[in-house]
Parts: sequence; structure tokens; C-alpha cells
Amino acid sequence: DAKTTQPPSMDCAEGRAANLPCNHSTISGNEYVYWYRQIHSQGPQYIIHGLKNNETNEMASLIITEDRKSSTLILPHATLRDTAVYYCIVNAGNNRKLIWGLGTSLAVNP
Amino acid sequence: KAGVTQTPRYLIKTRGQQVTLSCSPISGHRSVSWYQQTPGQGLQFLFEYFSETQRNKGNFPGRFSGRQFSNSRSEMNVSTLELGDSALYLCASSLVGGTIYEQYFGPGTRLTVT
Repeated sequence: DAKTTQPPSMDCAEGRAANLPCNHSTISGNEYVYWYRQIHSQGPQYIIHGLKNNETNEMASLIITEDRKSSTLILPHATLRDTAVYYCIVNAGNNRKLIWGLGTSLAVNP
Repeated sequence: KAGVTQTPRYLIKTRGQQVTLSCSPISGHRSVSWYQQTPGQGLQFLFEYFSETQRNKGNFPGRFSGRQFSNSRSEMNVSTLELGDSALYLCASSLVGGTIYEQYFGPGTRLTVT
């Protein structure tokens, strides 16, 4: 599976948009981009995924560049409860083994 | 619908002992995966079970094993515990077939080996 690169930590002010970048320059054509987050002392939680097009759900938006070599997870109005480690993962649909990096630790500040 | 449950939540063991952890998936989910999470390594895939058969395996020694029962519940076992086995062990369940859409994780079992 392709590897991903994320900044180790980021800060965001409460109420502002949090934009979390992810580089996946060796992504293959059949690999999806998945985002999960892990709040302290809990298991990871699925957020969103996409292949080529931008995606939006009730939690976040996912912007994938046209060349698919990078993506950005957007939390439109970050709250203190969004403080967590965010993981970007690329995975082919038929590969059931997800490979995780160390993620980005997002701190939302009041 | 009840979420993924893992028992016990916390466990303290001594080097050389063995341990068994349990995972009950979401009702209707037949695939169960196990992960080890340590501060320096992040989440590392251990293995996945579906229909009582191991389908995928990560790069862990044979001391780590698992099984799945006919009701999709899964257990993992670690024998001859080492200090380095101290970690959060996470279980995730998902629907089977086709693209992985999402994995639902349990809260984990925190294992401390002394």
C-alpha cells in the first residue's frame, strides 16, 4: 500500500476551520483515501473516504487533488471535541489490511 | 445497534505469562481485525478473521494468535509475554465483501506487562 505523510501536530482555534493535509504521492489508481480520528483513550473512528472526487458528510469534507497525490481533510467549524489524532490512510478496496502512520495530533484551542 | 465491545478493558500481566483478549463485533459484521497500538509505532495490523478463518496477517511473531467463533466473536492470544507487548490492543469489525467502507473500532484493551 502507498505510504502517507502527515504533519505530526497542528493547532486550530475553536470555531475556525481545521485543514489537515496528507501527502500520498505513490498512490495507485485503485486506492482510496480514508480518514479516521482517535480521541484520547478511545478506538479510532471513521470520518470519510474518497477516490477521486471531493466528498462531504456531516463530519467533514475531503478534498483530493486532481493528480491524487495529496488530500486535505477539512473540519469546517472545529470544536474542542475535535481534539484528536487524525489518520490518513490509502488502501485499495480489495485489500482489507489498513496500514496506519502516526497521524496528526490536532489541538483545538478555546 | 451496539458497538464493538472488548474485554477486559485493562490488564496487567507478568513477563512469561499468556493473555487472552476478547472482541464482540457489531451485530451483522462478520470480519474482525486486530491491531496493536504503541506510542512509537502507531497502529500495527495483527490479523483479520472472517468465517472463522484468518484472512490476513501482519508481521508479528507466532506468539500472537487469534481465532474467530461461529458467532463472529473473536479472541486473540499472546503467549510468553514480553515487556514490549505492553500496548493498546484494538479490535475492529466490518461488513464483509467488496470495498472496505469503514471499520468500527472498539475501545481497546490496555495491556501492561511488568
